[in-house]
Amino acid sequence: AQSVTQLDSQVPVFEEAPVELRCNYSSSVSVYLFWYVQYPNQGLQLLLKYLSGSTLVESINGFEAEFNKSQTSFHLRKPSVHISDTAEYFCAVSVRNQGGKLIFGQGTELSVKP
Amino acid sequence: GAGVSQSPSNKVTEKGKDVELRCDPISGHTALYWYRQRLGQGLEFLIYFQGNSAPDKSGLPSDRFSAERTGESVSTLTIQRTQQEDSAVYLCASSRPLAGVGTQYFGPGTRLLVL
Repeated sequence: AQSVTQLDSQVPVFEEAPVELRCNYSSSVSVYLFWYVQYPNQGLQLLLKYLSGSTLVESINGFEAEFNKSQTSFHLRKPSVHISDTAEYFCAVSVRNQGGKLIFGQGTELSVKP
Repeated sequence: GAGVSQSPSNKVTEKGKDVELRCDPISGHTALYWYRQRLGQGLEFLIYFQGNSAPDKSGLPSDRFSAERTGESVSTLTIQRTQQEDSAVYLCASSRPLAGVGTQYFGPGTRLLVL
């Protein structure tokens, strides 16, 4: 079975500071990796995903995540956060060739303060 | 175009009653998923539909839970004899073919409260 662990339930940070949201997964088979984001009063939406190829993936709003197979991690980073990045972030995996159902972590609440 | 829609947005029911939750996926999305999010927890997979294939029901927590999908459109999730632990936000998502790599688009959810 697969599992996802997000080590921090809450991450407070000041505006323009760097941030890293940690995600580790457990799986005996190959997986795809995702970060989803839920802004206040909005639905869940995809932020970025790793399917294959380059282990570093980027989003359009400056976030990046790196797949590290040896450490089974997929940490999310941003060098300088904005107030508008305040949201809950969910790491997820899906097993290749098993229909795409997502296994989610518990979520990390990112709170950006001025 | 329209996104994934769910109804009702909120549902309050009494313990022991049955409830039915509805999901309208994005047109053309053959894959449809149900998840639930209990307070303070991550999302849990419940069930997955892909076209005319048999659904993957491996996430349903008990036989009180069932779901149906009409072709490649509307899906309903039914919870019979609701219990207080069923209180959660129930989320529906859909994706294009190649579901294993496709982005899942989530609806706004149905917030269920069982008294």
